[in-house]
Amino acid sequence: DIQMTQSPSTLSASVGDRVTITCRASQSLSGWLAWYQQKPGKAPKLLIYKASTLESGVPSRFSGSASGTEFTLTISSLQPDDFATYYCQQYMSYWTFGQGTKVEIK
Amino acid sequence: EVQLVQTGGGLVQPGGSLRLSCAASGFSISSNYMTWVRQAPGKGLEWVSVIYSGGSTYYADSVKDRFAISRDNSRNTLYLQMHSLRAEDMGVYYCARGGTGKGLDYWGQGSLVTVSS
Repeated sequence: DIQMTQSPSTLSASVGDRVTITCRASQSLSGWLAWYQQKPGKAPKLLIYKASTLESGVPSRFSGSASGTEFTLTISSLQPDDFATYYCQQYMSYWTFGQGTKVEIK
Repeated sequence: EVQLVQTGGGLVQPGGSLRLSCAASGFSISSNYMTWVRQAPGKGLEWVSVIYSGGSTYYADSVKDRFAISRDNSRNTLYLQMHSLRAEDMGVYYCARGGTGKGLDYWGQGSLVTVSS
């Protein structure tokens, strides 16, 4: 089974900050990695797929990158609507989610 | 417009059964893979089951032999039949559509499953 290790678990930031969340896979994913945003009481929302492709309608301040088995979600300038929990997910072999990163107001 | 509307869920005793439904509109569920993902209270996301367009089904080890995923193409509805429910099965269950090469691109609103005597 492919394991996903996501960090940090919590991140305190201010509006306008640049925010980076990292996910490491236990084996090669060939880029089959997605990022989701989840707000309390709501279903997850797809932000990025294939490691770096922005889903339609998602603001361009969100971006994704990959280096080997390490993947990064970056929010270039944090907005009030971005305070939420973020999950990475591999879909190379079945589906495994990272533990989640809660982005909270500093 | 793609929509997934879930029904079912509720309170069930340990060892009991429950069926969740996920009615799709805006696309045909037989054309995509469809999954169930769950979230225990205050916890992260866990993949539960998938049904591929060809009909093949797979399950997480934690639910294998207790849960069954199925679909009714004529009703464009996905199902999750759950048996022998345990306290650790409690949480919100989401149905989600597999986008081509995209991961899970559309999600239902979630169904709460409570297992308690």
